[in-house]
Amino acid sequence: DVKVTQSSRYLVKRTGEKVFLECVQDMDHENMFWYRQDPGLGLRLIYFSYDVKMKEKGDIPEGYSVSREKKERFSLILESASTNQTSMYLCASSTRGETGGQETQYFGPGTRLLVL
Amino acid sequence: RKEVEQDPGPFNVPEGATVAFNCTYSNSASQSFFWYRQDCRKEPKLLMSVYSSGNEDGRFTAQLNRASQYISLLIRDSKLSDSATYLCVVTRSWGKLQFGAGTQVVVTP
Repeated sequence: DVKVTQSSRYLVKRTGEKVFLECVQDMDHENMFWYRQDPGLGLRLIYFSYDVKMKEKGDIPEGYSVSREKKERFSLILESASTNQTSMYLCASSTRGETGGQETQYFGPGTRLLVL
Repeated sequence: RKEVEQDPGPFNVPEGATVAFNCTYSNSASQSFFWYRQDCRKEPKLLMSVYSSGNEDGRFTAQLNRASQYISLLIRDSKLSDSATYLCVVTRSWGKLQFGAGTQVVVTP
């Protein structure tokens, strides 16, 4: 059974703080993704990674960075948290399919971040 | 225009009834289509893939209309446990997915 875990379920931070969100998957998946989910907007892709040390910007990368030093771990970093980064953050992973990766994404339970 | 558009609902459905809803997508180059289900305060999970010929999975039927660029989901004999938000998902490139904002379904006793 695929397992994606995230370091925190709930997090409260202050404006300007540096925030680390960690995601770990145990299925040896090549692809990992970070999304944020806001009411009425759905899931929006922040960053993704195809392999160790590789990262690509998604649709809304501003204010975020990522790190993938090990295959199973993908970290999202908010360099200086702002109130508009209050959101639900979801990590996902998938294997690389034969067609280039149209495979099921498995999600972690999410981290609800509140920035005051 | 959003890449994937869904009626947010909620669709209030009596137990045992049938409910159907659509989603439209703007990228005609999209190759694969899915429905994900998200329970309240939980993560999304794959419900089913959507194929051109249409496909069923138990009480769930999904259809794809490429000409009009929409996909649909039909739920027969609704159960209370079907209450959830259903996310329409289309592929972009290289494993990336575009999610709709979701359609909420509430099944009532």
